[in-house]
Amino acid sequence: AQSVTQPDIHITVSEGASLELRCNYSYGATPYLFWYVQSPGQGLQLLLKYFSGDTLVQGIKGFEAEFKRSQSSFNLRKPSVHWSDAAEYFCAVVRGGATNKLIFGTGTLLAVQP
Amino acid sequence: EPEVTQTPSHQVTQMGQEVILRCVPISNHLYFYWYRQILGQKVEFLVSFYNNEISEKSEIFDDQFSVERPDGSNFTLKIRSTKLEDSAMYFCASSDDRVQPQHFGDGTRLSIL
Repeated sequence: AQSVTQPDIHITVSEGASLELRCNYSYGATPYLFWYVQSPGQGLQLLLKYFSGDTLVQGIKGFEAEFKRSQSSFNLRKPSVHWSDAAEYFCAVVRGGATNKLIFGTGTLLAVQP
Repeated sequence: EPEVTQTPSHQVTQMGQEVILRCVPISNHLYFYWYRQILGQKVEFLVSFYNNEISEKSEIFDDQFSVERPDGSNFTLKIRSTKLEDSAMYFCASSDDRVQPQHFGDGTRLSIL
């Protein structure tokens, strides 16, 4: 079945450490790829998107993501995590073609310790 | 920065009652969506709406659900006869183009008793 997988349900990092959140998708063609962040009690905020072109994309809040076609992955990275980055992170895809619905992964909950 | 607004933030309703969730999308956006997130589960697509009609709906979006754009600014989701399993966070989203990123509201937490 076509899906989006975020294998890490919960990650804890120390403030100032680097971060990588994993995302894999299983679709035949390259979909449109997104990362959203959800802080407690708030909606989903777009961090970054990949449609085509340069496979390393920059987003807001110092985040970046790299699309790797051979691995069907779109991992989110940040070189130095801040305490305010504690939130839940969702990878999502739009398959394209006749559909523009977002298909979400299950999310990764990030905790940041001092 | 323009944003999607949703009201109410929390709705408590008795099972079997009708509920209407309201959304004001970003003003120049043309594509509108509803998603829901049951506690502890992933965000799921319900329906997309464009040019005053449903463009796509999921299998969750059965006859108990309907959407409407009653005027130039609001976009509503109605659940005709609520069930316990409708308890979830409901998110409205909008985009200015079919494949451009969808911007989300803060959600309405619906609790069915």
